[in-house]
Formats: sequence, C-alpha cells, structure tokens
Amino acid sequence: KAGVTQTPRYLIKTRGQQVTLSCSPISGHRSVSWYQQTPGQGLQFLFEYFSETQRNKGNFPGRFSGRQFSNSRSEMNVSTLELGDSALYLCASSIMGLAGVSNTGELFFGEGSRLTVL
Amino acid sequence: KQEVTQIPAALSVPEGENLVLNCSFTDSAIYNLQWFRQDPGKGLTSLLLIQSSQREQTSGRLNASLDKSSGRSTLYIAASQPGDSATYLCAVLTGGGNKLTFGTGTQLKVEL
Repeated sequence: KAGVTQTPRYLIKTRGQQVTLSCSPISGHRSVSWYQQTPGQGLQFLFEYFSETQRNKGNFPGRFSGRQFSNSRSEMNVSTLELGDSALYLCASSIMGLAGVSNTGELFFGEGSRLTVL
Repeated sequence: KQEVTQIPAALSVPEGENLVLNCSFTDSAIYNLQWFRQDPGKGLTSLLLIQSSQREQTSGRLNASLDKSSGRSTLYIAASQPGDSATYLCAVLTGGGNKLTFGTGTQLKVEL
C-alpha cells in the first residue's frame, strides 16, 4: 500500500514568485492536512481538507491557500513568496475527516517538499 | 490555545541505555496523542498512537504512556541503539478535525 506522496521533493524559488505543492494521500484516505516546518517555529498547522472542503485553517496569511480534488489529492499554493516561507512543507492523510468517529485519528505523513526562497 | 512542550530539547546517551522522553500539553481535551520520529531532512514516521481513553501503548522497544488529567506523556525507549538517533516529536489531536499541535521535539543521539 503506497504511502503519502508529495511532489516536488525539493524546489528553489525567488522572492515574489509563487509555488504549488502536491500531495497524494494514502488510498482510501479522505482527509489531507498541511504543515509547515521551520527551525524557528517548528511544525505549524496550515489547513485541512476533507471531501474537497477546507475544514480547518491555521494562522497563516492569505498568501497560503489550498484545495482538494475529488480523488482526495490536494495542492497548496503560496503566492508572492517571501524569504521566511523557506521551509519543509509536510502533508498528512487520515482515513476520515473527524477524529473519534470509528477512527483512531492517526495521521500519516509524506516525506515533505523542501522549499527554498532566495 | 493548546501548547505542547517537550523536555529535554536534546539528549545524548551511550548505546544500551534506557531513556525517557517527556511531553506535556496544556489542554487535556484531546482525542489522541501521537509520537513521531523524524530523521534529518525527512518526513515524520508515526511510532505510537495513544487514544485519549488509553493509558499506554507498546511497540517493540518503545512504550508510551498518557496521563490526560495531568497533561503528560512519556516515551520510553529500551536498550537504545545508534539507529534510534533522530528527533522525536509528540503531537496531540484536538477537536474540530485533524489538527495536530506539535511539541518542539527532543533531538536524540545514541553513541557507540
């Protein structure tokens, strides 16, 4: 059974550009969430999608957006990149969208997309 | 607002030692607590998950306990090996969907 797949694994952009990252969840998983990891702030929640709807959103500016497709694959987009957006972006999938409902609430993470902004 | 703290931030031990990593959280209204391992430049590998109604979980040389009322969890690693060297993160899942709040991690180095 394939795990969570994130593409691209590495990318370099310059300030002001935009970037799109992709995440394919484990087959059968309907919830996809995104996290940003930086040395200074650690792991922070960006947003979560379930059945093509954003269910939760973290405390990030509107430059960060995402979407989910009918096959549960998700993309996140960062516009007008800033140096501080350099980070490892991690995607996680879960079998259901609501913890505690016939589900352990376990999240499975991909290898991440490492973004460097110059 | 949920806050998760991990102590110590870094730990270096000789091979073979048993060790304990600590995690504390401020809001006891959690669904579960997960322990993850992260190798440099890699994603997160799930080690153990403890449901809010459980007290502990075991997998091989790993044992995790949960005291929800006091907001604490420990990860016990028996007979540590150099391959255990990594950063260990705990995270709690709170209501309103799949949103994990992570601790800052414990960087473990097991030396030969």
